[in-house]
Amino acid sequence: DTAVSQTPKYLVTQMGNDKSIKCEQNLGHDTMYWYKQDSKKFLKIMFSYNNKELIINETVPNRFSPKSPDKAHLNLHINSLELGDSAVYFCASSPWGQGHGGYTFGSGTRLTVV
Amino acid sequence: GQQVMQIPQYQHVQEGEDFTTYCNSSTTLSNIQWYKQRPGGHPVFLIQLVKSGEVKKQKRLTFQFGEAKKNSSLHITATQTTDVGTYFCAAANTGTASKLTFGTGTRLQVTL
Repeated sequence: DTAVSQTPKYLVTQMGNDKSIKCEQNLGHDTMYWYKQDSKKFLKIMFSYNNKELIINETVPNRFSPKSPDKAHLNLHINSLELGDSAVYFCASSPWGQGHGGYTFGSGTRLTVV
Repeated sequence: GQQVMQIPQYQHVQEGEDFTTYCNSSTTLSNIQWYKQRPGGHPVFLIQLVKSGEVKKQKRLTFQFGEAKKNSSLHITATQTTDVGTYFCAAANTGTASKLTFGTGTRLQVTL
């Protein structure tokens, strides 16, 4: 049983298209995240939701819109894709609050915009 | 914003040699976590350090949290080829609602 599952694993699309990435966790965690990992391997937080409520929204273009229908799901929709959006996007989950252990990451979605 | 730097960026060792990566924060931390990411894989949680000066061991891995809670290190004794990957520290500030800032990462290559 996969704890944090993301789909799709790979996504190749043309500039200007709209695409979505889905994430689900079966760990019972309260908090879910989207991280972006660029070609230099930097991991940068994009969004965080706690019990369906947005709590962290970093300086991400508003072409990126997260949606959490329930605390086990966090999806990411991207409008008008640009070449610079090419990266690996990781979903993660954790218990709420600090000191409660680490994040569990999904296997990632490799997005390539051509 | 908070910066978390790791050094070195990259290290290549022969199997059996030791390896250390250092993590430095510009601010005092609530806690620090370490992750390992294998090539083509996703970050996997290794450990969390909370107390000033804390030292924890996992087999050949030794993790330290600095006395001032602004730096940390991961030391691997007698590296093996299975240790290959990128090691990230991830810093949590007090009152930042579970937000982790990942360090820049250290890529470890181990050859026979």
